[in-house]
Amino acid sequence: GAVVSQHPSWVICKSGTSVKIECRSLDFQATTMFWYRQFPKQSLMLMATSNEGSKATYEQGVEKDKFLINHASLTLSTLTVTSAHPEDSSFYICSARDSGGGEVKQYFGPGTRLTVL
Amino acid sequence: AQSVTQLDSHVSVSEGTPVLLRCNYSSSYSPSLFWYVQHPNKGLQLLLKYTSAATLVKGINGFEAEFKKSETSFHLTKPSAHMSDAAEYFCVVSRSGYALNFGKGTSLLVTP
Repeated sequence: GAVVSQHPSWVICKSGTSVKIECRSLDFQATTMFWYRQFPKQSLMLMATSNEGSKATYEQGVEKDKFLINHASLTLSTLTVTSAHPEDSSFYICSARDSGGGEVKQYFGPGTRLTVL
Repeated sequence: AQSVTQLDSHVSVSEGTPVLLRCNYSSSYSPSLFWYVQHPNKGLQLLLKYTSAATLVKGINGFEAEFKKSETSFHLTKPSAHMSDAAEYFCVVSRSGYALNFGKGTSLLVTP
């Protein structure tokens, strides 16, 4: 089946630094990718929809200047957490939409655990 | 707006007994509904999905779910629980643009 990878799988950083997380679709092209955040023992919350070649669409309450999303190619979307603070510590999960073959399918990456000290 | 409500935050069953994880949905149009499972320190795995075809949907690992429009429900069931089924289960509804709205999750505990 289709695979979506995320890099890094985990990262620890100091408060005030920026962290970039990559999401790649490995064997299909994804014009749309999604970024979710999952706090411990909670559900996934959609942060933004990433569209190839255009600006991301952010959910209400998500700061677009803090969570920068770039979807420069059909297989790669990046999420940059700028000036990270401890409250940004979370599990970040991306998904990619595969619309090839007629049926739309969505595949999730394994997630990136961010810890901000 | 599309949303789902998982009625139980925790469910505990004995190995070999049936599993029932409850989910109600709210949608302004015919929804696409999913069940995902998340094992500790692992990624999300799709168990099954409903997309307006058959109302009884069979998924992987012996799970199935029935879409009941009259009850706005999409409960997940399995005839006989295995220890390996212990995990977090999410009921999910698709919204416009194919983004997903997740329920709060149900933690399934399977005891020997």
